[in-house]
Amino acid sequence: KNEVEQSPQNLTAQEGEFITINCSYSVGISALHWLQQHPGGGIVSLFMLSSGKKKHGRLIATINIQEKHSSLHITASHPRDSAVYICAVGIQGAQKLVFGQGTRLTINP
Amino acid sequence: EPEVTQTPSHQVTQMGQEVILRCVPISNHLYFYWYRQILGQKVEFLVSFYNNEISEKSEIFDDQFSVERPDGSNFTLKIRSTKLEDSAMYFCASRRTSGGYEQYFGPGTRLTVT
Repeated sequence: KNEVEQSPQNLTAQEGEFITINCSYSVGISALHWLQQHPGGGIVSLFMLSSGKKKHGRLIATINIQEKHSSLHITASHPRDSAVYICAVGIQGAQKLVFGQGTRLTINP
Repeated sequence: EPEVTQTPSHQVTQMGQEVILRCVPISNHLYFYWYRQILGQKVEFLVSFYNNEISEKSEIFDDQFSVERPDGSNFTLKIRSTKLEDSAMYFCASRRTSGGYEQYFGPGTRLTVT
């Protein structure tokens, strides 16, 4: 069983739509990360959170520690948001991050 | 804004050859990491490094792999005798010792073993 599961695996939407990507995990964590990976392969950190909610521009990330679940929302989506979004968790007592499979998001104009 | 850099961006090598992937972490960071992503698969942890020694490593990080911080700025991953299955994107990351666990990723090195 994967320690980090994301859904959906693929998501196609029209420009302007509200996007939600979900992440569930099964281990104790120190923090949860949302990352963005563009077609060229580079990874950019969007959020790191251990409780509550964070907002940056049109991106919002929430986490529910009790339910071991996090969501990434994108408001007023734009074609430039097209990328793979990855959920990763820092394992309690360990250094490493454990990654989900990623969600491939395509926003059509 | 400071960033993690990696060289080369793409390395092609023949099976059995040694490769060294290089990373320059953010200057005031003290924890360093290597991850890899085989094409079409998820990112996997390889190794973490702190205070000039390995602090954690995965099952993937066997005797063929080694890491080094040869000077005050570079952090390297060496693969001694590459195999076809080592073909992947390799990411370096770094973080500060305090202020949370946020890791900053480099742009990656694409390693192709032929």
